[in-house]
Amino acid sequence: KAGVTQTPRYLIKTRGQQVTLSCSPISGHRSVSWYQQTPGQGLQFLFEYFSETQRNKGNFPGRFSGRQFSNSRSEMNVSTLELGDSALYLCASSPVTGDEQYFGPGTRLTVT
Amino acid sequence: AQRVTQPEKLLSVFKGAPVELKCNYSYSGSPELFWYVQYSRQRLQLLLRHISRESIKGFTADLNKGETSFHLKKPFAQEEDSAMYYCALSGWSGGYNKLIFGAGTRLAVHP
Repeated sequence: KAGVTQTPRYLIKTRGQQVTLSCSPISGHRSVSWYQQTPGQGLQFLFEYFSETQRNKGNFPGRFSGRQFSNSRSEMNVSTLELGDSALYLCASSPVTGDEQYFGPGTRLTVT
Repeated sequence: AQRVTQPEKLLSVFKGAPVELKCNYSYSGSPELFWYVQYSRQRLQLLLRHISRESIKGFTADLNKGETSFHLKKPFAQEEDSAMYYCALSGWSGGYNKLIFGAGTRLAVHP
């Protein structure tokens, strides 16, 4: 089975811009979760989608949003980028919510 | 509320020394616990889960419901064990199963 894929792998944006990141889960997995990983804060949960519905949300501002499509692929969007949004954004998929998660390689976002 | 606590941000040991990465949790029901590992330049991946009761790469973890802990242990650390380790808990909340991660502990094994 192909693993979780994320595109793009690297991204450089300017403060104030917006960005959309994409995640393709493992075939058959219906749950997709997003995380922000930084050296200082570690792994922080953003949100989880299951069957196109947001099931759980972390403590991030409304600038961070996401969606899931009928084929389980997911996107997350960050509007009005800030310097502090620079991080590795990880996507993980699992067959159902709360189960073992399979992580993608991440998208490295740099905001200048 | 579900919560996972990893009290140490960094654990530094010498090769051959025993290792114990601490994980405490808060959950009112019967949780499922996991340890995930992230080696340098690699994906975050599952190391072990308590229901399988397996030993992976020499690591073991026992669920202690009385102390609400799931510490990760290895009797003799190797340099290749240097990585970021995350403890995670799966439990029912709000009508569905939710997976929550701790803040992580960086293990540094020195020669």
